[in-house]
Amino acid sequence: SQTIHQWPATLVQPVGSPLSLECTVEGTSNPNLYWYRQAAGRGLQLLFYSVGIGQISSEVPQNLSASRPQDRQFILSSKKLLLSDSGFYLCASTAGGDEKLFFGSGTQLSVL
Amino acid sequence: AQKVTQAQTEISVVEKEDVTLDCVYETRDTTYYLFWYKQPPSGELVFLIRRNSFDEQNEISGRYSWNFQKSTSSFNFTITASQVVDSAVYFCALSRGGGSQGNLIFGKGTKLSVKP
Repeated sequence: SQTIHQWPATLVQPVGSPLSLECTVEGTSNPNLYWYRQAAGRGLQLLFYSVGIGQISSEVPQNLSASRPQDRQFILSSKKLLLSDSGFYLCASTAGGDEKLFFGSGTQLSVL
Repeated sequence: AQKVTQAQTEISVVEKEDVTLDCVYETRDTTYYLFWYKQPPSGELVFLIRRNSFDEQNEISGRYSWNFQKSTSSFNFTITASQVVDSAVYFCALSRGGGSQGNLIFGKGTKLSVKP
C-alpha cells in the first residue's frame, strides 16, 4: 500500500515570507497527487491536483502555487505568505486504478 | 452545483450509545462516488468507505454501518456501541465529474465526542 510523507508537521511563518511544503509518495507509481487545505472550522478544499510530472491544475485562484518535479513528489509554494494562507494542508494521492484518496499527516501552517 | 451538507457540527454521546452522522449531497451527475473519512486529533484523514451511486445496498463493517438512500440524497453513517476511540471529526465527501477521483467535495465535518 502507498505511504504519503509530508513535512514539516507544523510551521510558523511571518507574513510576506516564502513557503515550501513537500510531499512524497511511496509504494506506488504514476499517482494522481492533490493538495487540500482545511481552514479552521471549515471542510477541506482542493487547491491543486496533478496527473503527471509537470502537470498542475489549480482549483481556486490564490496566493499559492504547486509543482511536480518528479513522479512521486508534489510541492506547494508561495513567494509571499498572507495571513489568510494559515490552515492545515494535506497532501493526498490516488493510484493503481483504485481511486480511494489516501492522505498524508498534514502540515499545520500559521502565518503571523 | 455539487454540494455536501453535514448539518451536525458537533455531537456528544456517552460510551456505548449509538450515534448517526448525517450527510446530504447534491449533484447532477448520474455516476458519482460518496466517501466517509475520519480525522482523529492527530490530523491525518483515514479512509472509511467509498460507495458508488449505483449501489444502494447498506454496508456494515464491525460497529460501523452506512445507509445510502438515493431518493433522499443521503449517505448517513452510524456507529453502534460507540467508544472513546471513535472521538474524531468525520467528513462526508462527494466525487466530482461523475467518477471516482481524488477531486472531492467535502462537507464541513461533524465533530464526535464520545465520553466514558
